[in-house]
Amino acid sequence: NAGVTQTPKFQVLKTGQSMTLQCAQDMNHEYMSWYRQDPGMGLRLIHYSVGAGITDQGEVPNGYNVSRSTTEDFPLRLLSAAPSQTSVYFCASSPPLRTRPYEQYFGPGTRLTVT
Amino acid sequence: KQEVTQIPAALSVPEGENLVLNCSFTDSAIYNLQWFRQDPGKGLTSLLLIQSSQREQTSGRLNASLDKSSGRSTLYIAASQPGDSATYLCAPGDDKIIFGKGTRLHILP
Repeated sequence: NAGVTQTPKFQVLKTGQSMTLQCAQDMNHEYMSWYRQDPGMGLRLIHYSVGAGITDQGEVPNGYNVSRSTTEDFPLRLLSAAPSQTSVYFCASSPPLRTRPYEQYFGPGTRLTVT
Repeated sequence: KQEVTQIPAALSVPEGENLVLNCSFTDSAIYNLQWFRQDPGKGLTSLLLIQSSQREQTSGRLNASLDKSSGRSTLYIAASQPGDSATYLCAPGDDKIIFGKGTRLHILP
């Protein structure tokens, strides 16, 4: 298994540009989520999904869109990038709550800079 | 809303010492709590997962305990080594996990 993969590893955007951060997992996990990590702020939850076709907002959803058309993929879209979105983005996945143990697996991260 | 506090925020100790990292959380209606390690510029590595039916978990020199009723977990590191230097993150919860800000640990050779 490749686990949780994220592309790209690094990205530089200009203010106002759009882009999609890709996340995929091959463990048949139902739950997937996106976090951003900023110095002094820790990891903050952006959006999450409990299964294909179902998404919901986390702590800091503004400026980001998500969709979940398949179990494997959970892309994060920035429609109009802003410098405040400069951060490191992590994707995570986990099996269903009814499965024990319920462990989260993280991708390697995408480092995004918006100028 | 879950709030997670990790104390201390940073810790610098000589090699060989035994350490205790603390985590407190406000919502005890959880099934699991995970401890992660993060090296600078890297992703998160899962260290230990404690289920609500357990009181502690051990992996090598690491031992984590969970007291749901008081909303507390501790991570004990025995005989610390320079390679243990990293940020340690506590993550109580099941799906919508909220993280603490972490404890930045520096082990002096």
